[in-house]
Amino acid sequence: DSGVTQTPKHLITATGQRVTLRCSPRSGDLSVYWYQQSLDQGLQFLIHYYNGEERAKGNILERFSAQQFPDLHSELNLSSLELGDSALYFCASSAPVAGGAGANVLTFGAGSRLTVL
Amino acid sequence: GQQVMQIPQYQHVQEGEDFTTYCNSSTTLSNIQWYKQRPGGHPVFLIQLVKSGEVKKQKRLTFQFGEAKKNSSLHITATQTTDVGTYFCAGGIGTNAGKSTFGDGTTLTVKP
Repeated sequence: DSGVTQTPKHLITATGQRVTLRCSPRSGDLSVYWYQQSLDQGLQFLIHYYNGEERAKGNILERFSAQQFPDLHSELNLSSLELGDSALYFCASSAPVAGGAGANVLTFGAGSRLTVL
Repeated sequence: GQQVMQIPQYQHVQEGEDFTTYCNSSTTLSNIQWYKQRPGGHPVFLIQLVKSGEVKKQKRLTFQFGEAKKNSSLHITATQTTDVGTYFCAGGIGTNAGKSTFGDGTTLTVKP
């Protein structure tokens, strides 16, 4: 158990529908990142929140949105779903870097597997 | 934008053989991280390199960061079946991991 909790683990839905994926970061971590991993693909960065504020945006579609709440959990909303949105969605959290040139180390959750039929 | 290329995409080895995956960035990096994702699992952090020419070892794994900080490699000596999975590099600019770019990964299979 990485300490990052994602729900649901699996989700099957139809095209055109809307779903919400939920993530609770590790205790003490203020940052939440969302990634999309399609079949046999790499990790595509979607968005990063730090303590409730958006900090970085990747190739996130306009149909997708996210937010981080005061209790630091985050939700990723996917709407007008298409077949191509079927993927594994990972949430990761990180603690602040103490100093130097290193990047935040990501702790990933187990992922939410979305299937769009 | 920043691009991180990782090769090879797949590598099949016999148990006991060595394995190397390479990561190349189109831009100079501040840092590079390596993650391992077991089949059906999630990425797990292995190591981070920040210095030019840095070499770090973890048991049978050796990680290198190039002198120009544009490339990196992960070498596994005498692979074991427990090494199977996909190895990702993530090249970073600064401390914000959201600014890091993941390579597409190298999937390693090990034949016993």
